[in-house]
Amino acid sequence: EAQVTQNPRYLITVTGKKLTVTCSQNMNHEYMSWYRQDPGLGLRQIYYSMNVEVTDKGDVPEGYKVSRKEKRNFPLILESPSPNQTSLYFCASSLSRNGEQFFGPGTRLTVL
Amino acid sequence: EDQVTQSPEALRLQEGESSSLNCSYTVSGLRGLFWYRQDPGKGPEFLFTLYSAGEEKEKERLKATLTKKESFLHITAPKPEDSATYLCAVTSLSNDYKLSFGAGTTVTVRA
Repeated sequence: EAQVTQNPRYLITVTGKKLTVTCSQNMNHEYMSWYRQDPGLGLRQIYYSMNVEVTDKGDVPEGYKVSRKEKRNFPLILESPSPNQTSLYFCASSLSRNGEQFFGPGTRLTVL
Repeated sequence: EDQVTQSPEALRLQEGESSSLNCSYTVSGLRGLFWYRQDPGKGPEFLFTLYSAGEEKEKERLKATLTKKESFLHITAPKPEDSATYLCAVTSLSNDYKLSFGAGTTVTVRA
């Protein structure tokens, strides 16, 4: 089944404790992206990647890092999480630029 | 900066009561306008892409239209299973990797 998977689905952590949210897609898509979704603000893009080893900042990149060492994986790293990073995070992928994006199931992160 | 505004924020409909959702956008050259559906606790699911003014696309009870300033998502004779949050997003000619979303319209259809 073609899909985007994220792990973990739920995470409660404390301020300053480094964490990684994994994202993997099995559709051989070149483009991958991370979003956060907050009430009233909608989905905002954090980082995106056009292909292996090629990444760029979205609208809200501060406090986040990404890497794209393999085509299928695009992990999101929070080196020192803070409470304002409490949010619902989505990973997405698409076959081409400007193409339909397939979203993962989401990761709900709470930073205490 | 690209901006997308959706209205209304919430819409409550009786089953069979047709209505429209609005998505107005400001972008420096529209590359594409996207509609997604999001169910509670799930990721958005793609519905339509529109590229140029005058374009229309249909899927079951949903029809999306596009003008130079806005898009409409028409829901004809909705059913309870059409209850969801509908998201609008745009990409621009200057950066078609960047998808800018509106805050969404939450539609509730009562039986």
